[in-house]
Amino acid sequence: ETGVTQTPRHLVMGMTNKKSLKCEQHLGHNAMYWYKQSAKKPLELMFVYNFKEQTENNSVPSRFSPECPNSSHLFLHLHTLQPEDSALYLCASSQNRGTGELFFGEGSRLTVL
Amino acid sequence: QKEVEQNSGPLSVPEGAIASLNCTYSDRVSQSFFWYRQYSGKSPELIMSIYSNGDKEDGRFTAQLNKASQYVSLLIRDSQPSDSATYLCAVLKGGGTSYGKLTFGQGTILTVHP
Repeated sequence: ETGVTQTPRHLVMGMTNKKSLKCEQHLGHNAMYWYKQSAKKPLELMFVYNFKEQTENNSVPSRFSPECPNSSHLFLHLHTLQPEDSALYLCASSQNRGTGELFFGEGSRLTVL
Repeated sequence: QKEVEQNSGPLSVPEGAIASLNCTYSDRVSQSFFWYRQYSGKSPELIMSIYSNGDKEDGRFTAQLNKASQYVSLLIRDSQPSDSATYLCAVLKGGGTSYGKLTFGQGTILTVHP
Protein backbone atom coordinates (compact mmCIF):
# COMPACT_ATOMS: atom_id res chain seq x y z
CA GLU A 1 0.00 0.00 0.00
CA THR A 2 1.08 3.55 -0.60
CA GLY A 3 0.25 6.99 0.78
CA VAL A 4 -2.03 7.49 3.73
CA THR A 5 -4.77 4.98 4.41
CA GLN A 6 -7.66 5.38 6.82
CA THR A 7 -10.10 2.85 8.20
CA PRO A 8 -13.00 2.59 8.43
CA ARG A 9 -14.14 4.80 5.58
CA HIS A 10 -17.63 5.06 7.05
CA LEU A 11 -18.74 4.72 10.65
CA VAL A 12 -22.13 5.07 12.30
CA MET A 13 -22.22 5.06 16.07
CA GLY A 14 -24.55 5.83 18.89
CA MET A 15 -23.78 8.42 21.51
CA THR A 16 -22.79 5.77 24.05
CA ASN A 17 -20.55 3.72 21.77
CA LYS A 18 -16.78 3.54 21.78
CA LYS A 19 -15.04 3.26 18.43
CA SER A 20 -11.65 4.03 16.93
CA LEU A 21 -10.40 5.48 13.68
CA LYS A 22 -7.12 4.22 12.29
CA CYS A 23 -4.59 5.91 10.06
CA GLU A 24 -1.43 4.48 8.55
CA GLN A 25 1.11 6.26 6.40
CA HIS A 26 3.63 4.57 4.14
CA LEU A 27 5.57 7.70 3.19
CA GLY A 28 8.26 7.65 5.84
CA HIS A 29 6.97 10.91 7.30
CA ASN A 30 7.61 12.06 10.85
CA ALA A 31 4.51 14.14 11.53
CA MET A 32 0.89 13.06 11.56
CA TYR A 33 -2.33 15.03 11.97
CA TRP A 34 -6.02 14.67 12.62
CA TYR A 35 -8.33 17.19 10.95
CA LYS A 36 -12.10 17.54 11.15
CA GLN A 37 -14.07 18.65 8.10
CA SER A 38 -17.68 19.73 8.58
CA ALA A 39 -20.03 21.07 5.95
CA LYS A 40 -19.50 24.75 5.14
CA LYS A 41 -16.66 25.08 7.67
CA PRO A 42 -12.90 25.22 7.15
CA LEU A 43 -10.76 22.23 7.93
CA GLU A 44 -10.15 22.22 11.68
CA LEU A 45 -6.85 20.97 13.05
CA MET A 46 -7.39 18.64 16.00
CA PHE A 47 -4.06 17.05 16.91
CA VAL A 48 -0.48 17.05 15.71
CA TYR A 49 2.12 14.39 16.42
CA ASN A 50 5.79 14.74 15.60
CA PHE A 51 8.02 11.69 16.02
CA LYS A 52 5.04 10.11 17.85
CA GLU A 53 4.96 12.89 20.46
CA GLN A 54 1.87 15.08 20.63
CA THR A 55 2.83 18.66 19.86
CA GLU A 56 -0.59 20.23 19.52
CA ASN A 57 -4.07 19.70 20.91
CA ASN A 58 -6.30 22.33 19.40
CA SER A 59 -8.71 22.52 22.36
CA VAL A 60 -10.37 19.29 21.36
CA PRO A 61 -12.98 17.83 23.76
CA SER A 62 -11.77 14.87 25.79
CA ARG A 63 -14.28 12.57 24.11
CA PHE A 64 -11.70 12.47 21.31
CA SER A 65 -8.55 10.69 22.40
CA PRO A 66 -5.60 10.35 20.01
CA GLU A 67 -2.92 7.70 20.13
CA CYS A 68 0.30 7.54 18.16
CA PRO A 69 2.25 4.34 18.87
CA ASN A 70 4.87 5.08 16.20
CA SER A 71 5.51 7.51 13.37
CA SER A 72 3.49 5.43 10.91
CA HIS A 73 0.29 4.87 12.84
CA LEU A 74 -2.26 7.22 14.34
CA PHE A 75 -5.53 6.43 16.04
CA LEU A 76 -8.47 8.53 17.14
CA HIS A 77 -10.48 6.90 19.92
CA LEU A 78 -14.06 8.07 20.14
CA HIS A 79 -16.42 7.78 23.11
CA THR A 80 -19.71 9.39 24.17
CA LEU A 81 -19.80 11.54 21.07
CA GLN A 82 -22.49 14.08 20.24
CA PRO A 83 -24.46 14.37 17.00
CA GLU A 84 -22.56 17.58 16.19
CA ASP A 85 -19.40 15.48 16.02
CA SER A 86 -20.67 13.97 12.79
CA ALA A 87 -18.13 14.96 10.15
CA LEU A 88 -15.36 13.76 7.89
CA TYR A 89 -12.22 13.02 9.89
CA LEU A 90 -9.08 13.35 7.86
CA CYS A 91 -5.67 12.02 8.74
CA ALA A 92 -2.62 13.61 7.15
CA SER A 93 1.12 13.26 7.30
CA SER A 94 4.09 15.43 6.41
CA GLN A 95 7.83 14.96 6.29
CA ASN A 96 8.23 17.04 9.43
CA ARG A 97 6.11 19.28 11.63
CA GLY A 98 6.08 22.87 10.51
CA THR A 99 5.49 22.28 6.82
CA GLY A 100 2.31 22.99 4.92
CA GLU A 101 2.85 20.14 2.50
CA LEU A 102 0.42 17.59 3.85
CA PHE A 103 -0.63 14.28 2.38
CA PHE A 104 -4.19 13.39 3.31
CA GLY A 105 -5.91 10.06 3.65
CA GLU A 106 -9.34 9.54 2.12
CA GLY A 107 -11.05 10.23 5.41
CA SER A 108 -13.46 8.49 7.75
CA ARG A 109 -17.05 9.67 7.45
CA LEU A 110 -18.53 9.58 10.96
CA THR A 111 -22.22 9.76 11.74
CA VAL A 112 -23.31 10.00 15.38
CA LEU A 113 -26.92 9.09 16.01
CA GLN B 1 -12.03 38.45 11.24
CA LYS B 2 -11.34 35.01 9.83
CA GLU B 3 -7.69 33.99 9.75
CA VAL B 4 -7.95 32.82 6.16
CA GLU B 5 -10.78 34.08 4.03
CA GLN B 6 -11.99 32.86 0.66
CA ASN B 7 -15.08 33.59 -1.37
CA SER B 8 -17.04 30.36 -1.09
CA GLY B 9 -18.46 30.76 -4.59
CA PRO B 10 -19.52 28.90 -6.52
CA LEU B 11 -17.31 30.33 -9.23
CA SER B 12 -18.46 29.25 -12.66
CA VAL B 13 -16.26 29.66 -15.73
CA PRO B 14 -16.54 28.33 -19.29
CA GLU B 15 -14.11 25.72 -20.53
CA GLY B 16 -10.92 27.33 -21.80
CA ALA B 17 -11.27 30.46 -19.68
CA ILE B 18 -9.03 31.62 -16.84
CA ALA B 19 -10.33 30.88 -13.36
CA SER B 20 -9.15 33.27 -10.65
CA LEU B 21 -9.35 32.17 -7.02
CA ASN B 22 -8.56 34.59 -4.24
CA CYS B 23 -7.56 34.34 -0.61
CA THR B 24 -6.73 36.86 2.11
CA TYR B 25 -5.12 36.19 5.48
CA SER B 26 -5.02 38.17 8.67
CA ASP B 27 -1.72 37.30 10.35
CA ARG B 28 1.32 39.14 9.02
CA VAL B 29 3.75 36.57 10.45
CA SER B 30 2.44 34.00 7.98
CA GLN B 31 5.29 32.74 5.87
CA SER B 32 4.12 29.99 3.55
CA PHE B 33 1.04 29.60 1.43
CA PHE B 34 -0.59 26.62 -0.20
CA TRP B 35 -3.42 25.70 -2.51
CA TYR B 36 -5.17 22.38 -2.13
CA ARG B 37 -7.74 20.91 -4.49
CA GLN B 38 -10.56 18.75 -3.16
CA TYR B 39 -12.82 16.86 -5.51
CA SER B 40 -16.29 16.02 -4.25
CA GLY B 41 -16.12 13.03 -1.93
CA LYS B 42 -12.31 13.01 -1.94
CA SER B 43 -9.58 14.31 0.32
CA PRO B 44 -7.56 17.50 -0.24
CA GLU B 45 -4.55 17.29 -2.52
CA LEU B 46 -1.72 19.81 -2.58
CA ILE B 47 -1.37 21.48 -5.97
CA MET B 48 0.72 24.62 -5.34
CA SER B 49 2.92 26.19 -2.71
CA ILE B 50 4.38 29.69 -2.68
CA TYR B 51 6.80 31.21 -0.22
CA SER B 52 7.90 34.60 -1.60
CA ASN B 53 6.22 37.58 -3.21
CA GLY B 54 5.47 37.30 -6.89
CA ASP B 55 4.26 34.61 -9.21
CA LYS B 56 4.96 30.91 -9.32
CA GLU B 57 3.90 28.91 -12.34
CA ASP B 58 3.35 25.18 -12.67
CA GLY B 59 1.74 24.08 -15.89
CA ARG B 60 -1.69 25.68 -16.17
CA PHE B 61 -1.55 26.89 -12.56
CA THR B 62 -0.07 30.18 -11.34
CA ALA B 63 0.06 31.15 -7.70
CA GLN B 64 0.49 34.82 -6.84
CA LEU B 65 1.52 36.21 -3.47
CA ASN B 66 1.47 39.77 -2.17
CA LYS B 67 2.53 39.83 1.46
CA ALA B 68 2.07 43.59 1.82
CA SER B 69 -1.59 43.20 0.91
CA GLN B 70 -1.87 39.82 2.69
CA TYR B 71 -3.28 38.34 -0.45
CA VAL B 72 -2.68 35.11 -2.35
CA SER B 73 -4.37 33.93 -5.50
CA LEU B 74 -4.49 30.96 -7.82
CA LEU B 75 -5.00 31.32 -11.56
CA ILE B 76 -6.00 28.33 -13.66
CA ARG B 77 -5.46 28.88 -17.38
CA ASP B 78 -7.35 26.98 -20.05
CA SER B 79 -9.81 25.68 -17.44
CA GLN B 80 -11.11 22.17 -17.99
CA PRO B 81 -14.22 20.46 -16.62
CA SER B 82 -11.82 18.22 -14.69
CA ASP B 83 -10.72 21.31 -12.74
CA SER B 84 -14.19 21.48 -11.16
CA ALA B 85 -13.51 21.06 -7.45
CA THR B 86 -13.23 22.98 -4.20
CA TYR B 87 -9.97 24.90 -3.87
CA LEU B 88 -8.65 25.39 -0.36
CA CYS B 89 -6.22 28.15 0.54
CA ALA B 90 -3.94 27.32 3.46
CA VAL B 91 -1.55 29.55 5.38
CA LEU B 92 1.35 28.43 7.55
CA LYS B 93 2.34 30.59 10.47
CA GLY B 94 6.01 30.79 11.16
CA GLY B 95 6.45 32.06 14.67
CA GLY B 96 5.32 32.27 18.27
CA THR B 97 3.02 29.66 19.75
CA SER B 98 1.50 28.94 16.35
CA TYR B 99 4.71 27.60 14.86
CA GLY B 100 3.93 25.27 12.04
CA LYS B 101 0.16 25.59 12.33
CA LEU B 102 -1.54 25.28 8.97
CA THR B 103 -4.84 27.18 8.80
CA PHE B 104 -7.30 26.56 5.99
CA GLY B 105 -9.86 28.80 4.40
CA GLN B 106 -13.42 27.65 3.81
CA GLY B 107 -12.68 26.87 0.17
CA THR B 108 -14.00 28.14 -3.15
CA ILE B 109 -16.15 25.87 -5.26
CA LEU B 110 -15.11 26.06 -8.91
CA THR B 111 -17.31 24.78 -11.70
CA VAL B 112 -15.97 24.66 -15.26
CA HIS B 113 -18.80 24.17 -17.74
CA PRO B 114 -18.29 22.86 -21.29
